Amino acid sequence: GQSLEQPSEVTAVEGAIVQINCTYQTSGFYGLSWYQQHDGGAPTFLSYNGLDGLEETGRFSSFLSRSDSYGYLLLQELQMKDSASYFCAVSWEYGNKLVFGAGTILRVKS
Amino acid sequence: NAGVTQTPKFQVLKTGQSMTLQCAQDMNHNSMYWYRQDPGMGLRLIYYSASEGTTDKGEVPNGYNVSRLNKREFSLRLESAAPSQTSVYFCASSVQDRGTGELFFGEGSRLTVL
Repeated sequence: GQSLEQPSEVTAVEGAIVQINCTYQTSGFYGLSWYQQHDGGAPTFLSYNGLDGLEETGRFSSFLSRSDSYGYLLLQELQMKDSASYFCAVSWEYGNKLVFGAGTILRVKS
Repeated sequence: NAGVTQTPKFQVLKTGQSMTLQCAQDMNHNSMYWYRQDPGMGLRLIYYSASEGTTDKGEVPNGYNVSRLNKREFSLRLESAAPSQTSVYFCASSVQDRGTGELFFGEGSRLTVL
């Protein structure tokens, strides 16, 4: 089976940097994705790591270490609109059948 | 661009009633998925369709059936609703069933079973 662990809540100040960690246990691991979901909204894709290392997309970066079964999402220059839930998700068996973590609520304070 | 469209957005059912959630995408994607999300939890895969004409079970398929009507449409049916199926249901699509990790989600259908 697959299981993922991520912190339930993180609080940070506007303009700061925050890191959301994700550890996973899965067979047939293929890649790690990150999604953002605002209250009452649809999840939206942020990034994907199929290989070890850092992927950067604007203010967001994501990192993967396959040997450690670990990844993180890094959010820089935090803005109030970044307050949302963030989910890591693993792809397994060469497909987009994603298994999601329980999510991390990020609260950005002014 | 409409993207992924789900209907209905809200529904209240009584235990034992049946209903179908509809999903359509206009992005010419090959793969489609149904997830459910319960409070404080991540999304759990119910069923998916890697391509037109194929469907397969996900993590929590019991109590549900699906139909991939054509490339655009993927419906989810609850034959005999139970209170445990109270949830938010999300339909999603991807270009193909390939390891890109990117799904496009609809806005969700909020179902309450009394």
